[in-house]
Amino acid sequence: EIVLTQSPGTLSLSPGERATLSCRASQSVSSSYLAWYQQKPGQAPRLLIYGASSRATGIPDRFSGSGSGTDFTLTISRLEPEDFAVYYCQQYGSSGFTFGPGTKVDIK
Amino acid sequence: QVQLQESGPGLVKPSQTLSLTCTVSGGSISSGSYYWSWIRQPAGKGLEWIGRIYTSGSTNYNPSLKSRVTISVDTSKNQFSLKLSSVTAADTAVYYCARVPTPWGQGTLVTVSS
Repeated sequence: EIVLTQSPGTLSLSPGERATLSCRASQSVSSSYLAWYQQKPGQAPRLLIYGASSRATGIPDRFSGSGSGTDFTLTISRLEPEDFAVYYCQQYGSSGFTFGPGTKVDIK
Repeated sequence: QVQLQESGPGLVKPSQTLSLTCTVSGGSISSGSYYWSWIRQPAGKGLEWIGRIYTSGSTNYNPSLKSRVTISVDTSKNQFSLKLSSVTAADTAVYYCARVPTPWGQGTLVTVSS
């Protein structure tokens, strides 16, 4: 089973700042089957990035994903008020899917 | 576009079996090569993958839940289902169905309580 670790656990930033979120896998994620989701209270997770770097339909270009193998990054270039939420990475390329524990981006 | 909707009892007694169904609309569950998954989230906690069923019917389960989980598909109804046996309060959560990585259902709260 691939274990995903996300850091930091909480990121306190101001609107307009850049956010860099990390996701590390215990073993290589095949074919970059790595996704990032945003979740707000009371809502289902929303897909932001799939295949490590492809933006999902309707996702603003301030969101970008990068990485391969075991190290992946989600970058939000300039935080908007609606971006303060919890972000999860997920690998969906092995015999079982797994999620990271999440990074909370809150307002400083 | 494909949409998913969970349905089932919102309250289950301890030791009983939790049963949920996910209805797929806007596309056939048997077309393409997709994994149809169940995921849950206890209040205030992170996401936990429960298991998945492939278009062919093959399944994979989270090792921590494997002994209690069964996922099946009914192509005639365009649905797939989750059964989780011997539930306890620790199984109280919002349960989501999804065609990973997208789309997801809106989620349904299941509470385990007597």
